[in-house]
Amino acid sequence: DTEVTQTPKHLVMGMTNKKSLKCEQHMGHRAMYWYKQKAKKPPELMFVYSYEKLSINESVPSRFSPECPNSSLLNLHLHALQPEDSALYLCASSQGAALRGQPSTDTQYFGPGTRLTVL
Amino acid sequence: RKEVEQDPGPFNVPEGATVAFNCTYSNSASQSFFWYRQDCRKEPKLLMSVYSSGNEDGRFTAQLNRASQYISLLIRDSKLSDSATYLCVVTGINTNAGKSTFGDGTTLTVKP
Repeated sequence: DTEVTQTPKHLVMGMTNKKSLKCEQHMGHRAMYWYKQKAKKPPELMFVYSYEKLSINESVPSRFSPECPNSSLLNLHLHALQPEDSALYLCASSQGAALRGQPSTDTQYFGPGTRLTVL
Repeated sequence: RKEVEQDPGPFNVPEGATVAFNCTYSNSASQSFFWYRQDCRKEPKLLMSVYSSGNEDGRFTAQLNRASQYISLLIRDSKLSDSATYLCVVTGINTNAGKSTFGDGTTLTVKP
C-alpha cells in the first residue's frame, strides 16, 4: 500500500478563517512533507518532518503552522491567509533514510492534494 | 542558475515516437534522482528512480551521469497515455537531507 490520503480535497476559506489540512499515511514512513504548488509550476517544499520533529522549514510565513501528532499524521494549520496563498497543497511521505544521513533512494509518495482557495 | 533545470518543452509528438527529456542539476553533492509524472490537476507520481548504472522499465529508460550532473529520460513507442508533465527531482543529503528540488517540468503531448 503506497497510499497517502489528504482531507479535504477542496477548501474555500476567507482571510479571517482558521482551517486545517490533514494528511495520513500507513506505510511506516518516518518522513513527511508539505508542498505548495501553483498552476503550471513545480511543487515547492514548505516543511519536512523527520521522526515527528520539524527538520526543515523553508522560510514559510507563520500563517502556516505544521503539526505532526504522530508518525502517521501530518497537519497544516492555516490562519489569516492571503488570496495569493491559493494553491494545491500536497503532502508526501518517505521512509526517511536520507534524513538520517544514509545514502538511499528515498522515494517520496504524494497524496492527492488539497485545492485551497482563499477569498 | 536554477538548482535543477529541465528542457522547457513542450514536446508534441505522434504516437509511436521516441522522445528524450534532459535535466541538469547544480549541486554535485546531490544523492538521489527521480523522474515523476504529473497529470493535469493530479499529484506527482513516481515514474522511476535514476541510478548511475541506468535503469529501464518497459518503454522507459533513465540515465544518470554524475560527472556531467545530467539526468535523462527516454520514452520509446509513445502512447497517448504518456501525455503528462514530467518532473525531474533531485534530493540532497546531509545538510540538505530530505530536501527535494523539482525541475520546472517538461510537458509532453502525444497525438494520434
